[in-house]
Amino acid sequence: DAGITQSPRHKVTETGTPVTLRCHQTENHRYMYWYRQDPGHGLRLIHYSYGVKDTDKGEVSDGYSVSRSKTEDFLLTLESATSSQTSVYFCAISELTGGLYEQYFGPGTRLTVT
Amino acid sequence: AQTVTQSQPEMSVQEAETVTLSCTYDTSESDYYLFWYKQPPSRQMILVIRQEAYKQQNATENRFSVNFQKAAKSFSLKISDSQLGDAAMYFCAYRSMYSGGGADGLTFGKGTHLIIQP
Repeated sequence: DAGITQSPRHKVTETGTPVTLRCHQTENHRYMYWYRQDPGHGLRLIHYSYGVKDTDKGEVSDGYSVSRSKTEDFLLTLESATSSQTSVYFCAISELTGGLYEQYFGPGTRLTVT
Repeated sequence: AQTVTQSQPEMSVQEAETVTLSCTYDTSESDYYLFWYKQPPSRQMILVIRQEAYKQQNATENRFSVNFQKAAKSFSLKISDSQLGDAAMYFCAYRSMYSGGGADGLTFGKGTHLIIQP
């Protein structure tokens, strides 16, 4: 399972509240990602990281920020949660396998913003 | 920007039969990677199979195989001898080869819900 954990696994929060989701990996992977999954949209990339303190935006980054102060942790923050951010959030890592990078996913966090 | 299209929101197949899930993509790049992921009700995303665009040979993993048609930008997944455990959402995904190392994220299709009839 590539040693990826996400916390919390479920969270309910109110509109306007700050929320931080944590992704933790134990295998020293360089590349880490945050995606969101919504019905009818598949998974969409929010932000990704290519090393400690090195991050970049993905397709749907508005309203989200990320930080990576240690190799093993990649944090996703919703500064002021909105109902449109109700979603399932997946963290992923890239692992070099047979000459190409494959992405492996954590178990997901279901976030509900009321 | 690349796009991935899965035109079948839902497919149904009898147990032990063969089913093919469709995926098309749009890109201006000549080299890239394609993947199929499975998402069972547990919600875990599981990598099923991958294909490098520069390889003409279609990838195969046990009962799962792909039909990769580069000129048509088509990447279908064939599941042979369908089993009840194959029931899941299946997502097709694209990744550029031109990113720095493994940095680029995946572009996903919207998924196909596969139902296995016993």
